[in-house]
Amino acid sequence: AQTVTQSQPEMSVQEAETVTLSCTYDTSESNYYLFWYKQPPSRQMILVIRQEAYKQQNATENRFSVNFQKAAKSFSLKISDSQLGDTAMYFCAFMGNNAGNMLTFGGGTRLMVKP
Amino acid sequence: DSGVTQTPKHLITATGQRVTLRCSPRSGDLSVYWYQQSLDQGLQFLIQYYNGEERAKGNILERFSAQQFPDLHSELNLSSLELGDSALYFCASSVASGSLHEQFFGPGTRLTVL
Repeated sequence: AQTVTQSQPEMSVQEAETVTLSCTYDTSESNYYLFWYKQPPSRQMILVIRQEAYKQQNATENRFSVNFQKAAKSFSLKISDSQLGDTAMYFCAFMGNNAGNMLTFGGGTRLMVKP
Repeated sequence: DSGVTQTPKHLITATGQRVTLRCSPRSGDLSVYWYQQSLDQGLQFLIQYYNGEERAKGNILERFSAQQFPDLHSELNLSSLELGDSALYFCASSVASGSLHEQFFGPGTRLTVL
């Protein structure tokens, strides 16, 4: 079974600064996807960025980028130029290619962006 | 707006009762997933349906059941409710199953069991 670990329960960052959220996972599969979801106070789950395991290039979406280290099974999220609207819970998630493609989530990191 | 709808938004009920949560997937999506988010267990997968058939099961209690109807909407039935069933229940949908497709989440149903 897959496991996803987020070792930082809470983090804070000053507005306009850069912050990195950590995520590690464990799997025996070779082909899979990794995701970062944002959950603001509204509780809506919003996809931030995704990475396909067979792609070596790190994914980037505007101010959000990932550092994907397949051998180390590490998948960190970097938020540049942090904005107040980035304040939210962030969940790292794994999707394999077996048994229905469900998402396995980490425990989440609560990010607070301070003015 | 993800295009996935869930009703009701909030539900308050008593222990021992039975409730039904409803989900309508995005237009064209055949696969529906149910997830539970609680303080104790975090976000965990419950069950998946694809085009009316159960495709995968996760940590779903025997007191819980689900189905997907011919119009592709899905219902999650929770019975003999306990205090610990209080949680946010998400439905997500994707185009297909068996390959790696993005899941789009609904706004969730917040269940409070008193």
